[in-house]
Amino acid sequence: GAVVSQHPSRVICKSGTSVKIECRSLDFQATTMFWYRQFPKQSLMLMATSNEGSKATYEQGVEKDKFLINHASLTLSTLTVTSAHPEDSSFYICSAQPQGAEQYFGPGTRLTVT
Amino acid sequence: GENVEQHPSTLSVQEGDSAVIKCTYSDSASNYFPWYKQELGKRPQLIIDIRSNVGEKKDQRIAVTLNKTAKHFSLHITETQPEDSAVYFCAASSTGRRALTFGSGTRLQVQP
Repeated sequence: GAVVSQHPSRVICKSGTSVKIECRSLDFQATTMFWYRQFPKQSLMLMATSNEGSKATYEQGVEKDKFLINHASLTLSTLTVTSAHPEDSSFYICSAQPQGAEQYFGPGTRLTVT
Repeated sequence: GENVEQHPSTLSVQEGDSAVIKCTYSDSASNYFPWYKQELGKRPQLIIDIRSNVGEKKDQRIAVTLNKTAKHFSLHITETQPEDSAVYFCAASSTGRRALTFGSGTRLQVQP
C-alpha cells in the first residue's frame, strides 16, 4: 500500500517560535496533500489542501499567515506553524491520495507549545 | 459545505455482542464514505469504505450500509472483541471535494 511519512513525530517548542512539519509520500507522487488537526478527544478537522506548485487552499477560520504550507515537490509538503502559542498544541496529521478516493495518512506530529 | 454527524459518542458492549455506529451527511454530492479506527496517539486506520453506487459492503466481522436517499450510513461490528476498543470515525468526501469531512467520533469499549 501507499506510505506517507511525517517528521518529526513529536516536537516541543517555546511560545513565539516557529515549527516546521514535513509530510512525505514515499512510494508515490502526490499533487495534492491534506493537513488535518486533531485536538485531544476531538475529531480530525481539515486545515488546508496543499497543491504542488501552487498556493494552498485554507479552510475557513484557519489563518494562512500563521500556518504556512509549501508543496514544492510531488513528494513533499511542509506545514510551518509560525509564532506558535499554547493553543496551537495539537496533533497534526497529513494525508495524500495516490489514486482513487482512499486517503493515506501520515503517522502524525504531536506539537506541544510551552 | 459537507457536515457529518455521528452517533453515539460512546458505546459500551459486552464481548461477543454487536456494535452499531451511525452517521448522517448533508452534501448529496458526497460519494465516498470511509470508516476509520483510531487508537490513542496513532493515525486513523481505514477499516472499511463504501462508495455511493453500493448499498452494503462486508469484510469479515465488519459491515457498512449506505442509504443515499436518507443520507446516512452505518458501521456494524459483529462478535466484538476487546481489541475492537478504540475511537471510530466516519467520514465523507466527493469527487469535487476530495478532502475528508469527519464525524465527531465514537468511543467503543468492549467489556471482556
